[in-house]
Amino acid sequence: GNSVTQMEGPVTLSEEAFLTINCTYTATGYPSLFWYVQYPGEGLQLLLKATKADDKGSNKGFEATYRKETTSFHLEKGSVQVSDSAVYFCALSDRLKAAGNKLTFGGGTRVLVKP
Amino acid sequence: KAGVTQTPRYLIKTRGQQVTLSCSPISGHRSVSWYQQTPGQGLQFLFEYFSETQRNKGNFPGRFSGRQFSNSRSEMNVSTLELGDSALYLCASSLGVAGPSNEQFFGPGTRLTVL
Repeated sequence: GNSVTQMEGPVTLSEEAFLTINCTYTATGYPSLFWYVQYPGEGLQLLLKATKADDKGSNKGFEATYRKETTSFHLEKGSVQVSDSAVYFCALSDRLKAAGNKLTFGGGTRVLVKP
Repeated sequence: KAGVTQTPRYLIKTRGQQVTLSCSPISGHRSVSWYQQTPGQGLQFLFEYFSETQRNKGNFPGRFSGRQFSNSRSEMNVSTLELGDSALYLCASSLGVAGPSNEQFFGPGTRLTVL
């Protein structure tokens, strides 16, 4: 079956520091990959996505590159802000029609950015 | 465009009771998926409905059920509640065409507490 593994948190950083959250996946097919962010008391928001190998997703200064050879989709941001404090989830969806829209999530990584 | 709405936002029930949660998708979206989020198990897929039919189902006992109406609104029901059912239940809507770029939009969730 499909699975997603991401680094455990919490990750504590100072403002303007570099952030990396590792994510690796196992999939039977050729998945699409996503990063979602969850702010306190809210649902999930799509941060970025990549649908094929070597695609780079980017949004709000965050980037992640779909690496098929290493089955990875690491999230990076060059200079974090206090407002980036949240829980980040790596996820995949199988492209098979039978799989529908099911998302398989990693365990989440809590990020705390201190001023 | 209004986002995904879930009602109620908070619920407190006792063991053995049953509960019904509601989700209204974004206008024009035909797919609704449900997820359970707990600190121990993370985000787990419950089921997906598309055009009033269950398209996919996760590994949850039969006490968890759902349905979708002709206007795409969805309900999920949990019968004979157990303490372990305490969780944040998230609903996600999408256009419904399974494929690499089909983005899912999440609601704020319903926080269920079972006493």
